[in-house]
Amino acid sequence: GAVVSQHPSWVICKSGTSVKIECRSLDFQATTMFWYRQFPKQSLMLMATSNEGSKATYEQGVEKDKFLINHASLTLSTLTVTSAHPEDSSFYICSASPAPSYNEQFFGPGTRLTVL
Amino acid sequence: TQLLEQSPQFLSIQEGENLTVYCNSSSVFSSLQWYRQEPGEGPVLLVTVVTGGEVKKLKRLTFQFGDARKDSSLHITAAQPGDTGLYLCSGNQFYFGTGTSLTVIP
Repeated sequence: GAVVSQHPSWVICKSGTSVKIECRSLDFQATTMFWYRQFPKQSLMLMATSNEGSKATYEQGVEKDKFLINHASLTLSTLTVTSAHPEDSSFYICSASPAPSYNEQFFGPGTRLTVL
Repeated sequence: TQLLEQSPQFLSIQEGENLTVYCNSSSVFSSLQWYRQEPGEGPVLLVTVVTGGEVKKLKRLTFQFGDARKDSSLHITAAQPGDTGLYLCSGNQFYFGTGTSLTVIP
């Protein structure tokens, strides 16, 4: 149980284009989903917290207009990287917290984004 | 942002050796998690500690939460190549430490 999937697992795009990453909780409902970014050999940095049906809460320094987050249902959250640039290349990981528990999170396998 | 410093940052040891990874912060946490992450994958939860002074064991892994709930340690006994990975501590679920990359050489 408690499986979280991400799609795509990797994506290569041209600079200036937008990329959408999906995060799904497959066997539970997730009131809250979290988006992280990880550079090679570095730790995870929380980007934003996404609650179903409401606007995402972004961490300091994360541009909300560049990283659009939508959490339209209890099993799906999407992260759209708009007007991607090479410096946006990174490993993006989502996690989901089962409703109503807020005390645990289950991670997706991550999405490797490469912007050329 | 609550900073969690891990040490060492990189560790390369021979199979069968013991090691300890430290996670330190100036902040107090209600809970602290340890994860292991392999390249190209998401982190996998190893343990959650919530009580100051708590010690938890998971086979050859021993986790300890500091009395003041500001720090934690992970001790691995007789390391195996399968222990290779990035070890991450996390305070209150969402703030991750700087990470320790462990390589166990057969």
